[in-house]
Amino acid sequence: EAGVAQSPRYKIIEKRQSVAFWCNPISGHATLYWYQQILGQGPKLLIQFQNNGVVDDSQLPKDRFSAERLKGVDSTLKIQPAKLEDSAVYLCASSLNPGTANEQYFGPGTRLTVT
Amino acid sequence: AQSVTQLGSHVSVSEGALVLLRCNYSSSVPPYLFWYVQYPNQGLQLLLKYTSAATLVKGINGFEAEFKKSETSFHLTKPSAHMSDAAEYFCAVRSNTNAGKSTFGDGTTLTVKP
Repeated sequence: EAGVAQSPRYKIIEKRQSVAFWCNPISGHATLYWYQQILGQGPKLLIQFQNNGVVDDSQLPKDRFSAERLKGVDSTLKIQPAKLEDSAVYLCASSLNPGTANEQYFGPGTRLTVT
Repeated sequence: AQSVTQLGSHVSVSEGALVLLRCNYSSSVPPYLFWYVQYPNQGLQLLLKYTSAATLVKGINGFEAEFKKSETSFHLTKPSAHMSDAAEYFCAVRSNTNAGKSTFGDGTTLTVKP
C-alpha cells in the first residue's frame, strides 16, 4: 500500500513570496489533515478535510493560508504572502475516518524556509 | 478542550537501559491516546494507541504504554533501549467527538548512548 505522498520535500522562498504544497493521501482515506510543525514543537493542526469538505480550519491563518481538496482526494496548501514565521515543516496526514481510533498516516513533510 | 504535556523535552539513556517517556493529557471526554515516533526528515509513525480496550497497550519495537485514568497519564516505556530507538517521540490525544481532532505534545527527543 502506497503511503501519503507530499511534494516538494524542501522549499526556500523569500518573505512575501507565495508557495504551494501538494499532498496525495492513501487511497480510500476520507480524512485529510494539514499540520504545521515548527522546530521544537509538536504538529499543530491547520485544517482537516472530510472528503472534500472542511471539518476544522480554526487554526488556519486565513489571511494568508488557503487549502483545497476539490475532488476529495489530493489536496494543496498555499501560503500567500509568506512570512518569516511560516518557516516550518508542513505535514500531511490521512486516516480512514475521524472520531474513531483510526490512526493517522503521515507523509514525509515539506520543509519550508522563508528568508 | 484537550491538551497534552510531555515532561522532559530531552531524555538520554544508555543502551540497554529502561526508557521512560512521560505524557499527561487533559480531555473532557474519554480520549483516544497515541504515541508516534519521528525519525529525522521523516513523517510521524504510529507506535501504539489506546482505545479503551485495555489499559496496557503494546506497540511496535518493544514499546508499551499504560493508560492511568486517575493520573491522566499515558507514559511510554521500553525495558531495554537500542541505538535505533534514538528519535523524537510525540504523544497525542484525540477526542471521540469533535470530528476526532488530535492534539499533539511538543515531543521528547530520546538519545541513546553506547
